[in-house]
Amino acid sequence: QVQLVQSGAEVKKPGSSVTVSCKTSGGSFSTYALNWVRQAPGQGLEWMGGIIPFFGTTNYAQKFQDRVSIIMDESTTTAYMELSSLRSEDTAMYYCARAHRWGANLDYWGQGTLVTVSA
Amino acid sequence: QSVLTQPPSVSGAPGQRVTISCTGSSSNIGAGYDVHWYQQLPGTAPKLLIYANTNRPSGVPDRFSGSKSGTSASLAITGLQAEDEADYYCQSYDNDLRGVVFGGGTKLTVL
Repeated sequence: QVQLVQSGAEVKKPGSSVTVSCKTSGGSFSTYALNWVRQAPGQGLEWMGGIIPFFGTTNYAQKFQDRVSIIMDESTTTAYMELSSLRSEDTAMYYCARAHRWGANLDYWGQGTLVTVSA
Repeated sequence: QSVLTQPPSVSGAPGQRVTISCTGSSSNIGAGYDVHWYQQLPGTAPKLLIYANTNRPSGVPDRFSGSKSGTSASLAITGLQAEDEADYYCQSYDNDLRGVVFGGGTKLTVL
């Protein structure tokens, strides 16, 4: 069955970077859009961006355009999301989720990775 | 401020029917993009509840239904049960932003 398994919780200092991984299995992901969505404590869902590995195309939300990088290592079917210049407001649960195309429903989700930014 | 607007909260007694609205604009829902709904139980990842406006994934009870008209969409839940108490989010795609957009979420309380 389709599974997305994310890396463990992280604690980071302001100004540093964090990389979260998302190991995919059980299905074909290369032609899908692998998205990243975050959720600050007590807040709603916020789309950050994603990648379609087959085309090597990425799409980032304007808010994160200059701070986020999403790649896919197809040899290990693992996606990575790097967020730089961290600030306290980036403290959130980060999820990866699969969609058939940009804007399609997110049918499978990772379990989430808590990133805490604190001095 | 979310691109899609949802009421912050709704409530209903067991067995009742509730609806959750999701209002967008001409650059997202009104442009013909599908609306999808998710249920998020406390401490868990969101779960797909309705896709492409009206469709239920396998395993989702038929008590949940979706509709779309113009620049808005709605999620209806009939025969409310205690286990339905959760946060609900709508999602679509926005032409102007060229990306995925979510509603701010609605907390459903079963009285």
